[in-house]
Amino acid sequence: AQKITQTQPGMFVQEKEAVTLDCTYDTSDPSYGLFWYKQPSSGEMIFLIYQGSYDQQNATEGRYSLNFQKARKSANLVISASQLGDSAMYFCAMREGMDSSYKLIFGSGTRLLVRP
Amino acid sequence: DGGITQSPKYLFRKEGQNVTLSCEQNLNHDAMYWYRQDPGQGLRLIYYSQIVNDFQKGDIAEGYSVSREKKESFPLTVTSAQKNPTAFYLCASTTSGGEYNEQFFGPGTRLTVL
Repeated sequence: AQKITQTQPGMFVQEKEAVTLDCTYDTSDPSYGLFWYKQPSSGEMIFLIYQGSYDQQNATEGRYSLNFQKARKSANLVISASQLGDSAMYFCAMREGMDSSYKLIFGSGTRLLVRP
Repeated sequence: DGGITQSPKYLFRKEGQNVTLSCEQNLNHDAMYWYRQDPGQGLRLIYYSQIVNDFQKGDIAEGYSVSREKKESFPLTVTSAQKNPTAFYLCASTTSGGEYNEQFFGPGTRLTVL
């Protein structure tokens, strides 16, 4: 069974609008972390935001926020005020356990295209 | 500047040849990882190492080998046993022990088997 599911292969958003990228996860470990990465066409992976399973508040980093719904096992990425440079692949990933050296499991990604 | 370097950027291999992909980091990170990415797909873990002289298999280790003799280096060898090695390979590293440390990634190596 897939542990990280991203159901949107591709998304469009108009420049300056907000967009939500979906991510659901499956784990029986009470301690876990959730990550979002951006991958532009150049290929490098850029870390965006992190949410720990015990964090009481949703994580925010500038224009990025994570809508964490623990009971539903979802960790959706919200990008506000989209910019043309946001066009890229976005990956959700999960780490089971709290040590940062533990391995990550990645979803299949969502390709976001921002329209001018 | 601190970071992760991978070389070469592009690599072409004939069938039946072993090739080694380089990954070096100067971030003083304990843990290092190798991922494979096929077109339009997510990253899959090949091998990872949480400490020098120790490494573990990931989900798709068959046909690959690694070594971790130095903290800053984690080379990946793609052997002739790997049936379909054409892919984009990403190396990553992170510090261990803390919860909030993300993995940092190198720029990747694109391997093509001719």
